[in-house]
Amino acid sequence: DGGITQSPKYLFRKEGQNVTLSCEQNLNHDAMYWYRQDPGQGLRLIYYSQIVNDFQKGDIAEGYSVSREKKESFPLTVTSAQKNPTAFYLCASSTTVRRRHHNSPLHFGNGTRLTVT
Amino acid sequence: AQKITQTQPGMFVQEKEAVTLDCTYDTSDQSYGLFWYKQPSSGEMIFLIYQGSYDEQNATEGRYSLNFQKARKSANLVISASQLGDSAMYFCAMRERVNYGQNFVFGPGTRLSVLP
Repeated sequence: DGGITQSPKYLFRKEGQNVTLSCEQNLNHDAMYWYRQDPGQGLRLIYYSQIVNDFQKGDIAEGYSVSREKKESFPLTVTSAQKNPTAFYLCASSTTVRRRHHNSPLHFGNGTRLTVT
Repeated sequence: AQKITQTQPGMFVQEKEAVTLDCTYDTSDQSYGLFWYKQPSSGEMIFLIYQGSYDEQNATEGRYSLNFQKARKSANLVISASQLGDSAMYFCAMRERVNYGQNFVFGPGTRLSVLP
């Protein structure tokens, strides 16, 4: 079955360490996204990528970095520069909408809960 | 400026009753898409229903329907015959065009609690 795999489900790190969250999709989607969710709040966009080897900053990109070397993979690195990294991170993908009537929802992974102490 | 507004932080509904979750949006595009997602306590995001800006009829998917009022820029989710398993966070989202393709903007969510 096609889908998005995020690993690990839970991640613990010491303050000052960089950490990389994995996201792999086999849906053949062009676009991939990283969102951050804090308790009781909505999703905020960190980075997105429409095609391989290209990505754009979202609303809260500071302290994060990404790469898109393969269509299937979009890893997110949480750097030590991120002031408050403890959060729930969701990766998503979608097809690129070219026709105005195209129903193209976001497909999500199950998320990674990152705790930094 | 907030593009998606969900004014109800929390809602309660009796089991088997219908409930409406509000969503208003702001965009200057003519072509856009509106989505609703459900997030149970496990954290996964479940796609529920979609409404395109050019769709003339309100979308329906089983017990879910979308009350789309384009002039008012509202896309309210209606859940009929609520079940205990409907208790979750519900997010309204809009797909919009950006310079490099498309982006999805989410509202703050509404927590629905279904009472037995």
